[in-house]
Amino acid sequence: AQKVTQAQTEISVVEKEDVTLDCVYETRDTTYYLFWYKQPPSGELVFLIRRNSFDEQNEISGRYSWNFQKSTSSFNFTITASQVVDSAVYFCALLPGGSYIPTFGRGTSLIVHP
Amino acid sequence: DSGVTQTPKHLITATGQRVTLRCSPRSGDLSVYWYQQSLDQGLQFLIQYYNGEERAKGNILERFSAQQFPDLHSELNLSSLELGDSALYFCASSVGQGEYGYTFGSGTRLTVV
Repeated sequence: AQKVTQAQTEISVVEKEDVTLDCVYETRDTTYYLFWYKQPPSGELVFLIRRNSFDEQNEISGRYSWNFQKSTSSFNFTITASQVVDSAVYFCALLPGGSYIPTFGRGTSLIVHP
Repeated sequence: DSGVTQTPKHLITATGQRVTLRCSPRSGDLSVYWYQQSLDQGLQFLIQYYNGEERAKGNILERFSAQQFPDLHSELNLSSLELGDSALYFCASSVGQGEYGYTFGSGTRLTVV
């Protein structure tokens, strides 16, 4: 069975603080894909990043960075110098290779105060 | 604009009624997925179609059904609606089986009164 745990239900920070959103996954498959999505107050889910299980390189995109560690089954997301526009619910998701059914975490609500 | 079009954006209906939600996938995407998002259940996968064929089924109730048409648009039919069916329903599409990620529509907010 697949499982994605986002233990942080809600995080509140002040603008310019750095914040890390945790994602821990469980799967028995050796091939799998991990994703992060952002759901701003407008409601639409926006794709942020994809990572396959054979690529453990960390990735940085502007103020966003992702740390994938197979040893701890984690795929954490860090926002540096947070901004009010980063306020959203962030979802981590897992798709096992050969499966058509993705598993989403319950999401972490990030509130960035000015 | 993500390229995935969902209609209607909002729907208010009474218990016992039937509604149809429509989705047009992003151009070139063959897979369509339906999700239900509610406060207590989070984001729940309902069903997936690939090029007109059902590929995977999740926690979809028997009162719900879906199909994907030859032009690749999809419809989700919800019948005998109950108050608990009130939720945000998302459609997503992908090129393959989702291994490169999904493109979501803006959702249909269904309110059953």
